[in-house]
Amino acid sequence: GENVEQHPSTLSVQEGDSAVIKCTYSDSASNYFPWYKQELGKRPQLIIDIRSNVGEKKDQRIAVTLNKTAKHFSLHITETQPEDSAVYFCAASPSYSGGGADGLTFGKGTHLIIQP
Amino acid sequence: GAVVSQHPSRVICKSGTSVKIECRSLDFQATTMFWYRQFPKQSLMLMATSNEGSKATYEQGVEKDKFLINHASLTLSTLTVTSAHPEDSSFYICSAWASGRIDTQYFGPGTRLTVL
Repeated sequence: GENVEQHPSTLSVQEGDSAVIKCTYSDSASNYFPWYKQELGKRPQLIIDIRSNVGEKKDQRIAVTLNKTAKHFSLHITETQPEDSAVYFCAASPSYSGGGADGLTFGKGTHLIIQP
Repeated sequence: GAVVSQHPSRVICKSGTSVKIECRSLDFQATTMFWYRQFPKQSLMLMATSNEGSKATYEQGVEKDKFLINHASLTLSTLTVTSAHPEDSSFYICSAWASGRIDTQYFGPGTRLTVL
């Protein structure tokens, strides 16, 4: 089955700086790679996703890059703000249609701390 | 966006009792619903995939006789934890997906189960 590795487990950055979280996956059949932000005791919130036919996607301060050959994808947050502090999870799924027909395999999470 | 609810949000039960958790898609019909479990400070682990009108597919290591899943309609899936024990205490989160309508899984708010 799929295995998703996520690094680092904890990331502390100064407010205004950039943060980068990296994930690798094992199953070359994976096609859908979402990123979630989760606050304590709450549901995961999708912040950005990318599919295997795209190398990069950006949404305001958030961007995701995908290297299918190397089987890794990364989340980039620029101009970090205190409200960006949370746990971030990457995930992978073989289903191209948004992970719909298949469950998601999650990374272990990154606790992002934004220092004021 | 698509809305998914869960009930109850929190439940405390005695060891040996059974607990039912409901997952509802409020504004769409879900082709597939997924159940995840999240232990404190850990990642989400897929437990099972549930399709309306058919038996759920369980991930390796998840006991189907202990975690009963029923997906009786396109808007409702239930997870029953039978003969619960303290090690079953966890955060249970469902997600829902609709073929051809939405392009990702939408998560419910989660249910915090505490078994005494």
